[in-house]
Amino acid sequence: LAKTTQPISMDSYEGQEVNITCSHNNIATNDYITWYQQFPSQGPRFIIQGYKTKVTNEVASLFIPADRKSSTLSLPRVSLSDTAVYYCLVGDMFSGGYNKLIFGAGTRLAVHP
Amino acid sequence: EAGVTQFPSHSVIEKGQTVTLRCDPISGHDNLYWYRRVMGKEIKFLLHFVKESKQDESGMPNNRFLAERTGGTYSTLKVQPAELEDSGVYFCASSQGRDGRRESGANVLTFGAGSRLTVL
Repeated sequence: LAKTTQPISMDSYEGQEVNITCSHNNIATNDYITWYQQFPSQGPRFIIQGYKTKVTNEVASLFIPADRKSSTLSLPRVSLSDTAVYYCLVGDMFSGGYNKLIFGAGTRLAVHP
Repeated sequence: EAGVTQFPSHSVIEKGQTVTLRCDPISGHDNLYWYRRVMGKEIKFLLHFVKESKQDESGMPNNRFLAERTGGTYSTLKVQPAELEDSGVYFCASSQGRDGRRESGANVLTFGAGSRLTVL
């Protein structure tokens, strides 16, 4: 099973760029890397997903090196509302691999004024 | 579009009682999942429906848990009898699912807000 390792917590200030790195040394060939965000009293919310290189959407960027053993979620110019827990998940989403998704403890990001 | 809806948002019951949690997935989503987070632990997979069929129930903790999805629409998760260790937040998620199409974002899970269960 592809387990992930992330920092337990991070602190940042409004307007800064935040980079959260996730380690997934056992990633398999068919595995995608997906990041979710979770606010208190809510379910996880999809942010971004990628397989290799770089993916960018309106919310974040995801950088994946060639060996795919790690990935970095980049949040540009964070605001107070970005304070949340961020989960890095690795799994084969397309072949019934949801049972193998391991959420882990996630990274608790605190954005300060 | 409406998101994934879960009911109740919070349930408090006594040990030995029965509780039924309901999940309404996004309309048209064939895949429905149940996850849960018990106190202090990580979010864990419980089971996966494809339409009305149980695709994978390997995460169900024991036979006190029964999940159904009659007609392939909403799903229920019944805990009977409830034990103290069942306390936690139960999340439901759904996805469209496009088997065989390996495109990024094609099988994203949309989660509900969760049902918090407290067993006293």
